[in-house]
Amino acid sequence: EAGVAQSPRYKIIEKRQSVAFWCNPISGHATLYWYQQILGQGPKLLIQFQNNGVVDDSQLPKDRFSAERLKGVDSTLKIQPAKLEDSAVYLCASSFIRGEQFFGPGTRLTVL
Amino acid sequence: AQTVTQSQPEMSVQEAETVTLSCTYDTSESDYYLFWYKQPPSRQMILVIRQEAYKQQNATENRFSVNFQKAAKSFSLKISDSQLGDAAMYFCAYRSALTGTASKLTFGTGTRLQVTL
Repeated sequence: EAGVAQSPRYKIIEKRQSVAFWCNPISGHATLYWYQQILGQGPKLLIQFQNNGVVDDSQLPKDRFSAERLKGVDSTLKIQPAKLEDSAVYLCASSFIRGEQFFGPGTRLTVL
Repeated sequence: AQTVTQSQPEMSVQEAETVTLSCTYDTSESDYYLFWYKQPPSRQMILVIRQEAYKQQNATENRFSVNFQKAAKSFSLKISDSQLGDAAMYFCAYRSALTGTASKLTFGTGTRLQVTL
C-alpha cells in the first residue's frame, strides 16, 4: 500500500517569496492534516480537512498561509509571503475518520 | 487545552539494555488516546504504540511497552533490548476521544534517543 506522498522534500526561498507544498494522502483516507514542525519542537497542527471541508484551522496564520483540498484527495499548502520564522518541516498526515494518522516524509523549508 | 510535556531532551542507552522515556500530560477530559511516535532522521513519523485511556492494561508491542498512570497523568515508554535502529526522536502525543471534535494530535517536544555499542 502506498504511503502519504509529499513534494518537494526540500525547498529554500528568500523571505517575502511564496511557496507551495503538495500532499497526496493514502487512498480512501477522508481526513488530511498539515502539521508544522519547527526545529527542536513537536509538530503543531495547522489545518485539518475532512473530505473537502475544514475541520480545524485555528492555528493557521491566515494572513499568509492558505490550504485547499480539491475533490477531497490531494492537498496544497501555500505560504505567501514567507517569513524567516516559517522555516520548519511541514508534515502531511492522513487517516480514516478519527483513525490512526499516517505521516508523509515531510518538506523541509528554509527561508533566508 | 491539552498539553504534553517531555522533560528529557536526550537519553542514551547501550545496545541490548533497557531505557524508559517519560511523558506527562494535562487534560480535563476523561476519554482520550495517548501515543508514542518515532521520528528517525528521515523525518517520517512512525507510530510505535498507542494506549486508550479507558483501558487499564498497559499496551505492549514487541520490545516496546508503556506505563500508563491515568491519575498521575503519566505515560512512559519502555524500550527493552535496545537496538541501533531504535535511535531516533521519540514524541509523546495526545488525542481527544470526544466525538464531534477535531482529531488532531498534540505533541510533546520530543526526546532524542541515542543507542551506543
